[in-house]
Amino acid sequence: DTAVSQTPKYLVTQMGNDKSIKCEQNLGHDTMYWYKQDSKKFLKIMFSYNNKELIINETVPNRFSPKSPDKAHLNLHINSLELGDSAVYFCASSQSRGSNQPQHFGDGTRLSIL
Amino acid sequence: GESVGLHLPTLSVQEGDNSIINCAYSNSASDYFIWYKQESGKGPQFIIDIRSNMDKRQGQRVTVLLNKTVKHLSLQIAATQPGDSAVYFCAERMTGSARQLTFGSGTQLTVLP
Repeated sequence: DTAVSQTPKYLVTQMGNDKSIKCEQNLGHDTMYWYKQDSKKFLKIMFSYNNKELIINETVPNRFSPKSPDKAHLNLHINSLELGDSAVYFCASSQSRGSNQPQHFGDGTRLSIL
Repeated sequence: GESVGLHLPTLSVQEGDNSIINCAYSNSASDYFIWYKQESGKGPQFIIDIRSNMDKRQGQRVTVLLNKTVKHLSLQIAATQPGDSAVYFCAERMTGSARQLTFGSGTQLTVLP
């Protein structure tokens, strides 16, 4: 009955590889997000999609490409992985209607670059 | 630049005592604030929120206070329990920012037996 689920939970890979992280939400939300959390626990927004359309695209290298096949899914593909990409990546979702709509987070994908 | 920050990076309290976690924000255009709890190996979990037209909101064992005059937000946890040990984040949303949240740097709360 997980609300926001991400796979995989752990991802260990070599520098230069390409990898994807998947996210699905069953809350019926219309907006989904990707965040990056660094080793100091700082959480920073990367992307946001509303009804499959990109609405937030922070300063993120273009090696990162989000894809939203439908409202319930937002995947993150990363090309040519670098050491600095090591972090925990969180997917989140919220409902855009209504003024008080907190974001609900998945349990994260811990990406380690060797 | 505008940012959300916390006064203390760590806080230790005795089990049963009340905890107060503080947060300072600098953007007067923020209209919505949220407190999240993050346990080890988990994602941030929603605790309580408050809109800028309120100054206090209560939940189960938690209270959020908002002081817009000094741009200060606090989370009070009553009768702190071992299960409350986690990192707590405040987050703000600026008016018209397409639902984008800006997170503070987090406070590690440790509950001592």
